[in-house]
Amino acid sequence: AQTVTQSQPEMSVQEAETVTLSCTYDTSESDYYLFWYKQPPSRQMILVIRQEAYKQQNATENRFSVNFQKAAKSFSLKISDSQLGDAAMYFCAYRTHSGTYKYIFGTGTRLKVLA
Amino acid sequence: NAGVTQNPKFQVLKTGQSMTLQCAQDMNHNSMYWYRQDPGMGLRLIYYSASEGTTDKGEVPNGYNVSRLNKREFSLRLESAAPSQTSVYFCASSLAHRGKGREHEQFFGPGTRLTVL
Repeated sequence: AQTVTQSQPEMSVQEAETVTLSCTYDTSESDYYLFWYKQPPSRQMILVIRQEAYKQQNATENRFSVNFQKAAKSFSLKISDSQLGDAAMYFCAYRTHSGTYKYIFGTGTRLKVLA
Repeated sequence: NAGVTQNPKFQVLKTGQSMTLQCAQDMNHNSMYWYRQDPGMGLRLIYYSASEGTTDKGEVPNGYNVSRLNKREFSLRLESAAPSQTSVYFCASSLAHRGKGREHEQFFGPGTRLTVL
């Protein structure tokens, strides 16, 4: 069975600095998708960035980028020029590409942004 | 476009009471999902509906039932609430349940915070 691990329950970053959130996963599949979701205090789950496993190029969305290491099964999120509005819970998620096609979420990392 | 809406936003129940959580989407999506979020556990899939007329169990279905009322609406029912069902419940929808493109990406509602005493 696939698993997703986020080993950092909480991280802090100074405003305008860069922070990296870690995510590792375990799977025997070769084709799958990975996501980072942001959950602010409003509880709304917001998709931040997605990565297809068959693409070697790391995904980028404005200030958010990923470091996808398929062999190491690692998928970290880098937030550049951190802003106060980036403070939230961040969830890493894995989507299977077979069977139930379900999403598997990590336990989350709470990011604090310090002014 | 409201996206995915959920009602109620908050609910307190006593053990043994029943209730239905409502979810609706206006994006013409085919697939809908119910998750629960517990502290330190991430989101876990309770049930999903790949398309109108079908429902399937997810990771933690015990104690719940679902109804895909039509393409827009997917409800979650607790027949006899237990304190272990205290959680935040999220509904999500996607254009499709499977596929290689972005059609499987899930859009989430704002959640329902349920407390069972």
